Amino acid sequence: AQKVTQAQTEISVVEKEDVTLDCVYETRDTTYYLFWYKQPPSGELVFLIRRNSFDEQNEISGRYSWNFQKSTSSFNFTITASQVVDSAVYFCALKKIGGGSEKLVFGKGTKLTVNP
Amino acid sequence: DVKVTQSSRYLVKRTGEKVFLECVQDMDHENMFWYRQDPGLGLRLIYFSYDVKMKEKGDIPEGYSVSREKKERFSLILESASTNQTSMYLCASSRQIKPNQPQHFGDGTRLSIL
Repeated sequence: AQKVTQAQTEISVVEKEDVTLDCVYETRDTTYYLFWYKQPPSGELVFLIRRNSFDEQNEISGRYSWNFQKSTSSFNFTITASQVVDSAVYFCALKKIGGGSEKLVFGKGTKLTVNP
Repeated sequence: DVKVTQSSRYLVKRTGEKVFLECVQDMDHENMFWYRQDPGLGLRLIYFSYDVKMKEKGDIPEGYSVSREKKERFSLILESASTNQTSMYLCASSRQIKPNQPQHFGDGTRLSIL
């Protein structure tokens, strides 16, 4: 069975601090995709990034960076120099490749509050 | 940009009522999904559909049904609403041909059953 664990339920930081959101996953599949979504207070989930299991390169996009480590089954998300607008609930998700499965398995989310 | 539109942001209904939540997407996506989101439980899949008139149960289908008569529209039906179905409901869609494509979500419907 597939499972995604986001152990941090809530994190609170002060603006300009760096913050890392943890994501650990379990799967027996050798090929899969990992995703991060952001859910601001308005409610809509916004897609941030996907990573396939063959590609362990870390990725940076502006203040956001992602560290994928297959050896530890982790896909952590770091926000550098956090801003108030980063306040949201962040979800990590796992998707099997092939086998006709289109389902995403979500973690329970981490609520990030960035205080001014 | 993909647009997934849910018919209501907020909805209040009474116990026992039949409730319809509507979702429309404008990108010709094959797959559509209904989730509910509850504090501490994250997102849980209720039903999904990979084609018109096709549906598959997700993790928590009890008390719900769905309808997909047209490709762009996916309806979630609460046959006889109960208070434990008070929740945030999220609709999503995705391309089937490219499995690496993300799901695109609507703004959500916050449903209260009194």
